[in-house]
Amino acid sequence: GQQLNQSPQSMFIQEGEDVSMNCTSSSIFNTWLWYKQDPGEGPVLLIALYKAGELTSNGRLTAQFGITRKDSFLNISASIPSDVGIYFCAGLIVLRDDKIIFGKGTRLHILP
Amino acid sequence: EAGVAQSPRYKIIEKRQSVAFWCNPISGHATLYWYQQILGQGPKLLIQFQNNGVVDDSQLPKDRFSAERLKGVDSTLKIQPAKLEDSAVYLCASSWQGLQFFGPGTRLTVL
Repeated sequence: GQQLNQSPQSMFIQEGEDVSMNCTSSSIFNTWLWYKQDPGEGPVLLIALYKAGELTSNGRLTAQFGITRKDSFLNISASIPSDVGIYFCAGLIVLRDDKIIFGKGTRLHILP
Repeated sequence: EAGVAQSPRYKIIEKRQSVAFWCNPISGHATLYWYQQILGQGPKLLIQFQNNGVVDDSQLPKDRFSAERLKGVDSTLKIQPAKLEDSAVYLCASSWQGLQFFGPGTRLTVL
């Protein structure tokens, strides 16, 4: 079945540092999504990408839809304490079955 | 605009007991999903509804799990009887043009 490989599994960084994480797939998707999940809450949609090569920003977050349509990247610039949480990538093929395949998540820790 | 509502937020039961979760999706969203999220993992799809019909329930353990969405709006997920390995967060989501929006989840602990 389809699988998403998300890396790294966890990150420990200093406040103010930039963060990069990525997701690769064995399958092609036509939409890539990035979610953030805080403890005790459901995932919250951060960025949606619809086109190969697309680069989209949301504040300090920037995500890219890979040219091969099999990967995506998320960067966070100048990290702050509230960035702590688990970041999930997700791929789907819209208008086929609208089923999302989730990565296993990247857990971000920020050291004081 | 109100988000996806779920209740209860927390539930503690003993194994072999029954439990039910409720979800009210975002108004106008025809597709509703139930996910199980075990600690340290990503959400795993249990069942997908389109209006009041089931689109995919291939990952639902049908010997103990059931779900319904009778009027095509809110939905309930039931576990009967619960096992220890059912301890997880149960997430409901609804979607618009493929984008899924999640509720806060129900954290189930089975003792």
